[in-house]
Amino acid sequence: DQQVKQNSPSLSVQEGRISILNCDYTNSMFDYFLWYKKYPAEGPTFLISISSIKDKNEDGRFTVFLNKSAKHLSLHIVPSQPGDSAVYFCAASWVYNNAGNMLTFGGGTRLMVKP
Amino acid sequence: DGGITQSPKYLFRKEGQNVTLSCEQNLNHDAMYWYRQDPGQGLRLIYYSQIVNDFQKGDIAEGYSVSREKKESFPLTVTSAQKNPTAFYLCASQPQRGQHNEKLFFGSGTQLSVL
Repeated sequence: DQQVKQNSPSLSVQEGRISILNCDYTNSMFDYFLWYKKYPAEGPTFLISISSIKDKNEDGRFTVFLNKSAKHLSLHIVPSQPGDSAVYFCAASWVYNNAGNMLTFGGGTRLMVKP
Repeated sequence: DGGITQSPKYLFRKEGQNVTLSCEQNLNHDAMYWYRQDPGQGLRLIYYSQIVNDFQKGDIAEGYSVSREKKESFPLTVTSAQKNPTAFYLCASQPQRGQHNEKLFFGSGTQLSVL
């Protein structure tokens, strides 16, 4: 059973417009959420995160919103740029076995920003 | 420069052959992880290690083995028991065990293919 789901495998937007990537989770133990960006044949790189005590975190063109009651988070990219074209992974974390923090990843959404 | 180095970038495996993927980090991170990415799918955890000489199975450990003899190194062996080894393998590290510090740092990955 997937605890973190990204239901849209792909998304296409026009340059300059807003990109909205969605993520749903089922495990109420998750208390920290992250977004990673991945280019082909490269490792993911950290983009932005949010703690469960917040409902919004902003970093430049990137904003993550968290709706705990709906177990839903979203990543907004405004304005979208062609260089944003990549696969975006949502990840959720909880303290596991008192030994650290395990990340559970969603399946990813491929974003294509058209010039 | 500090980082995580995975080698080789591309690897081919013959039937019945064991192959080992290298992962080295000079970030002084305690925790290290191995993930597998299949086309169109998310990252699935194979093995992780929170400390030297200790490691734990992840969600899809069957057909894989690891060792953690040094803090800097976490090699992954894909054994002949892994019947579907073709995938993109990602190694990651995390700063401190037991801390609420979820951000993972990823290597650039190894693409393994079966001949």
